[in-house]
Amino acid sequence: QQPVQSPQAVILREGEDAVINCSSSKALYSVHWYRQKHGEAPVFLMILLKGGEQKGHEKISASFNEKKQQSSLYLTASQLSYSGTYFCGTVEEYGNKLVFGAGTILRVKS
Amino acid sequence: KAGVTQTPRYLIKTRGQQVTLSCSPISGHRSVSWYQQTPGQGLQFLFEYFSETQRNKGNFPGRFSGRQFSNSRSEMNVSTLELGDSALYLCASSLAGTDYEQYFGPGTRLTVT
Repeated sequence: QQPVQSPQAVILREGEDAVINCSSSKALYSVHWYRQKHGEAPVFLMILLKGGEQKGHEKISASFNEKKQQSSLYLTASQLSYSGTYFCGTVEEYGNKLVFGAGTILRVKS
Repeated sequence: KAGVTQTPRYLIKTRGQQVTLSCSPISGHRSVSWYQQTPGQGLQFLFEYFSETQRNKGNFPGRFSGRQFSNSRSEMNVSTLELGDSALYLCASSLAGTDYEQYFGPGTRLTVT
């Protein structure tokens, strides 16, 4: 079951904040976040596990609401380098298949 | 350490032909996953291999198959190519599966004419 991401695209100015959301209709074990810059491979940002454990980069902030099967990625004081497509991936409870959403295109302008 | 490598990087095939793509994971990684990426569809999961066994499979037709060798290198095969198979095929390796960071390769761009 592919997770649903919102918004589909967002344009920011440098220094502004953004939130990218990811939701699933299935009970989740973990949520994963990746960023892909144009012409490059996706790069790992964070894993959020059921129970509260998080693995990822210190400068990235995200939340995982286990009751609502929702996750949000928080991008604060955005920089030009934040531009790219953000993908959330989910692993269902009792499953071990990582399925990605359609992505959110983020563009930061100077 | 060396990253994930994929060969070839670009490929042009004709409808009806078959193709084999290769992925060499990071040394020590035992899990290799394959994804198809097309504009607007995100990353569509194809399959995951772990220690030479297919552990998971996505919703793709049987024309898509794969395998993993004892050195963790993986190949993906698509038979009877269709125009809709044109896409970027990405492989990702990890230590042992979805509890770990996935390292993606640069992808193979397949064009079917």
